[in-house]
Amino acid sequence: EAGVTQFPSHSVIEKGQTVTLRCDPISGHDNLYWYRRVMGKEIKFLLHFVKESKQDESGMPNNRFLAERTGGTYSTLKVQPAELEDSGVYFCASSQVRGTQETQYFGPGTRLLVL
Amino acid sequence: KNEVEQSPQNLTAQEGEFITINCSYSVGISALHWLQQHPGGGIVSLFMLSSGKKKHGRLIATINIQEKHSSLHITASHPRDSAVYICAVRSSSNYQLIWGAGTKLIIKP
Repeated sequence: EAGVTQFPSHSVIEKGQTVTLRCDPISGHDNLYWYRRVMGKEIKFLLHFVKESKQDESGMPNNRFLAERTGGTYSTLKVQPAELEDSGVYFCASSQVRGTQETQYFGPGTRLLVL
Repeated sequence: KNEVEQSPQNLTAQEGEFITINCSYSVGISALHWLQQHPGGGIVSLFMLSSGKKKHGRLIATINIQEKHSSLHITASHPRDSAVYICAVRSSSNYQLIWGAGTKLIIKP
């Protein structure tokens, strides 16, 4: 079974440009999460999809960030326009809740550097 | 002050030593996770706890709900255990994962 995949693995862009990150969850997983780790800080929750619906987007830092999950499969996270403070590692995770048990499976992350 | 605190931040030990990493939290939780992040960056879930103790191979995780504290133990440590170990709690109010800063563990041969 394929794990969670993310694309690209690395992205270097200039301030003001647009970047789109993609996450492909494990097939059949309804839950999809985006997290971010900026340099020197803890990983922070960004948002949570259940299928194609945004269950919780309270962690999104501002309106320069737009996440979508059309059709409830893969998800994209667009940053437009990118700012220097957006640099960090963006992780995606997916899960399927069974009863009260949930294990999130993480992708390898996308390392974003905004110059 | 972060709602999830880990200690120590960095730990270097010799192969074979018994390792303990601690996690304290200040919010109500429905579950606590221990995760491992290798130098390549990938994150792997090790344990999910809501009470008591779990064991997997040389790894043991315990949680004391009353004291809001969890520990991750590694017995007979090995250089391949070198990684960042992260504690994350699922908030019982909004179900988000709140992450600790991680403990960087280096096991020397």
